[in-house]
Amino acid sequence: AQSVTQLGSHVSVSEGALVLLRCNYSSSVPPYLFWYVQYPNQGLQLLLKYTTGATLVKGINGFEAEFKKSETSFHLTKPSAHMSDAAEYFCAVRGSGSARQLTFGSGTQLTVLP
Amino acid sequence: DTGVSQDPRHKITKRGQNVTFRCDPISEHNRLYWYRQTLGQGPEFLTYFQNEAQLEKSRLLSDRFSAERPKGSFSTLEIQRTEQGDSAMYLCASSLGSDSNQPQHFGDGTRLSIL
Repeated sequence: AQSVTQLGSHVSVSEGALVLLRCNYSSSVPPYLFWYVQYPNQGLQLLLKYTTGATLVKGINGFEAEFKKSETSFHLTKPSAHMSDAAEYFCAVRGSGSARQLTFGSGTQLTVLP
Repeated sequence: DTGVSQDPRHKITKRGQNVTFRCDPISEHNRLYWYRQTLGQGPEFLTYFQNEAQLEKSRLLSDRFSAERPKGSFSTLEIQRTEQGDSAMYLCASSLGSDSNQPQHFGDGTRLSIL
């Protein structure tokens, strides 16, 4: 079975500061990992994904994440926060069954302070 | 690529009524998923279609819930005899082919409120 834990349900950073959103996963098979962003009253938009290969993956809007197998982590970072980054962020792991459904963490609400 | 479309965006209904939601996936996507998201939580998997076949259902999908994808294109999710606990955002997602590297693309959801 797969599971995802996101540490910190709320994170606040100042505009221009580093963004770090934490995600730890549990998976019985080599994991495929995803970060999605959700703006109010909207669906989820894919930021980036890790499947195989390079452990540092780059996504949209300047975000990147590093897969660390030894730490079972997939933390999301951005060097400099922008006001438009304020949203809820979800980490997800893909299931191992035929459906390949996603198991999501409970989300981290990012607030960017001026 | 027009994206995943869901209708309606909002639905308010009285307890005990039936409701039906529609999802139009990205046109070439053969895999379609329904998720439910309650306030302050991540989405939870409900069911999965490959083409017209419903291949997997979550334990969350009680017998009051039914989903169809009759021609392998759009899908509907029906909830019968709605209860207060059904209030949530219902999200549809689609993806392409058997290659599990392909990400799921989400619609904007249908927000259901039970009075």
